[in-house]
This record gives sequence, C-alpha cells and structure tokens, in this order.
Amino acid sequence: EDQVTQSPEALRLQEGESSSLNCSYTVSGLRGLFWYRQDPGKGPEFLFTLYSAGEEKEKERLKATLTKKESFLHITAPKPEDSATYLCAHTNFGNEKLTFGTGTRLTIIP
Amino acid sequence: NAGVTQTPKFQVLKTGQSMTLQCAQDMNHNSMYWYRQDPGMGLRLIYYSASEGTTDKGEVPNGYNVSRLNKREFSLRLESAAPSQTSVYFCASTPGESEAFFGQGTRLTVV
Repeated sequence: EDQVTQSPEALRLQEGESSSLNCSYTVSGLRGLFWYRQDPGKGPEFLFTLYSAGEEKEKERLKATLTKKESFLHITAPKPEDSATYLCAHTNFGNEKLTFGTGTRLTIIP
Repeated sequence: NAGVTQTPKFQVLKTGQSMTLQCAQDMNHNSMYWYRQDPGMGLRLIYYSASEGTTDKGEVPNGYNVSRLNKREFSLRLESAAPSQTSVYFCASTPGESEAFFGQGTRLTVV
C-alpha cells in the first residue's frame, strides 16, 4: 500500500539553527513529490515539486531533495517567520490524486 | 485573481442537518479536490474530480457527496451531519501534474 511518512512530527529550533525534515515514501510508480507550507488558519501553500531521484530545488532558506525512498526539506539558518507546518504529498503514474503526509510542525525560536 | 474561493468560512450544524460547501476556482483548472484536516491526521482526500462531469472517491468518502457542476465549481454535500464530521475542509484545484492551489478552508462544527 502506498504510504508517505513524515518525521519528526514537531521540531523546535533556535533561530539560525539549520536542520532537515524528512518525508519517506513507499509508493509504486511515484510521479511527483510535493512540498507545501501551511500557516495556522490557512490553506497549504505550494513550495516545490520533485520528479526524479537526485533532483534538488531551492527557494530562499529552503532546499528540497529527492532520493528513491525519501525526500528532505533542508532549512538553513531559519528565521521565526519560517515557523509553520510543512507537508509533503505525492502523485502516482496512473493516479493523479494528490495524497498528503501528516506534516511536521516547525517552530523557530528567536 | 481570486484563485480558489470557499464558502462559507465557518458553519455550525446540528446533528442530522444537511449542508453544501461551495468551492469555485477561476484558473481554468481541470482537477479539483476536497480534503478534510483533523489534528494529527494531516489532509485526507474525500473526493476528487479530474475533469468536469467526473468524480472519484478518495480515502474518506463516507457521509459525503460531491457535484462537479462545471469546470469552475465543485461542491461537497453533507446529507446528515454527524459530530465525526467536525473538521476543517479544504478545496483545491490543479491544472494537472503541478502545484495545487488551496482555498482558505471551511471550519465546520457539528453539535
């Protein structure tokens, strides 16, 4: 059965303390791996799409990478405004339903 | 651009009442989704529509019906609300294999 698991569930970092969030997947025929950011009381906001192992994408302090079994969202020198829940999601070949993991709640302490 | 618009933003229902959540997008996207989000459960897919006139069940479809009225609109109906349907509901749309755009959510409480 296709499954996406995110870890950790919650992460507290000091401002400037770099770290990584993990999204492990056991998906047959992965088509796309997506990262979203969600602020409290709002809908998810798109960050990145990754399609093949070895692919990397960057946006400001965030970098997403993809291997054959997992994706990482690296955050470098985070700021308090990076505090949010980060969600990964996937689609499969032959099934374009967008399926989400349970998310990592990131808190950056000033 | 309005993007994805959901109405209402908040709703309180009594057990057994019915209601329809409305969703409209102005981006000419083919695919639309309805999700529910509960604490610790992430976003769970209720129903999905790949194009006008087609719908497909997601992970948690029981107790819900949907209607893809046209390319812009995708509504979610609760025929007989139950307390277990208390949740935050999100509508999303996507042109295909790319980013999905989400509405701001409907916070539903069933008492």
